[in-house]
Amino acid sequence: QKEVEQDPGPLSVPEGAIVSLNCTYSNSAFQYFMWYRQYSRKGPELLMYTYSSGNKEDGRFTAQVDKSSKYISLFIRDSQPSDSATYLCAMRYNYGQNFVFGPGTRLSVLP
Amino acid sequence: EAGVAQSPRYKIIEKRQSVAFWCNPISGHATLYWYQQILGQGPKLLIQFQNNGVVDDSQLPKDRFSAERLKGVDSTLKIQPAKLEDSAVYLCASSLGATTSGRYNEQFFGPGTRLTVL
Repeated sequence: QKEVEQDPGPLSVPEGAIVSLNCTYSNSAFQYFMWYRQYSRKGPELLMYTYSSGNKEDGRFTAQVDKSSKYISLFIRDSQPSDSATYLCAMRYNYGQNFVFGPGTRLSVLP
Repeated sequence: EAGVAQSPRYKIIEKRQSVAFWCNPISGHATLYWYQQILGQGPKLLIQFQNNGVVDDSQLPKDRFSAERLKGVDSTLKIQPAKLEDSAVYLCASSLGATTSGRYNEQFFGPGTRLTVL
């Protein structure tokens, strides 16, 4: 079993839809969680950074962490064609570790 | 503010040849990372520098990969000799401080170098 798993997609939704992107992980020691967005032929860019369980909101984006289920989610409200990209989750145990990335989910928002 | 610069953007070589990639981090960023991203996978850390010293190179295949960061600014990553399985995008990232330090420092990624080994 891989440490961090994501459905690779592609996930296609109409413009304006609410998108739910998810990651599952195997190691309950992970405490710090990030979501990155990666456009085609570009490097990843940070969207959200959260610690432990709970929700965090930033504009149209909401990150949720459920440590009991070892499951994290990224919700995108009012999705736009410009949101079409690959979304990577990443996580680590503590300050002494670098982040482990998931394989990414490819999202396509259709106008 | 200028971002992380990488060159070349694309490289095609035959197996057993050598190749080198260059990275110029954001000015003032002490920490520099090289990642390998194979198609359909997330980035995998190869090596992390703090200034010109190596912090973590546990996943670097040292029999064929080498990296240096002279003077604590620019960095080069070399593969010699290349194998088919080295085909990937090589991403460079930088941050003000180490993400392994007591507070998170955001990593900024460059556009990557896409390597194809034939």
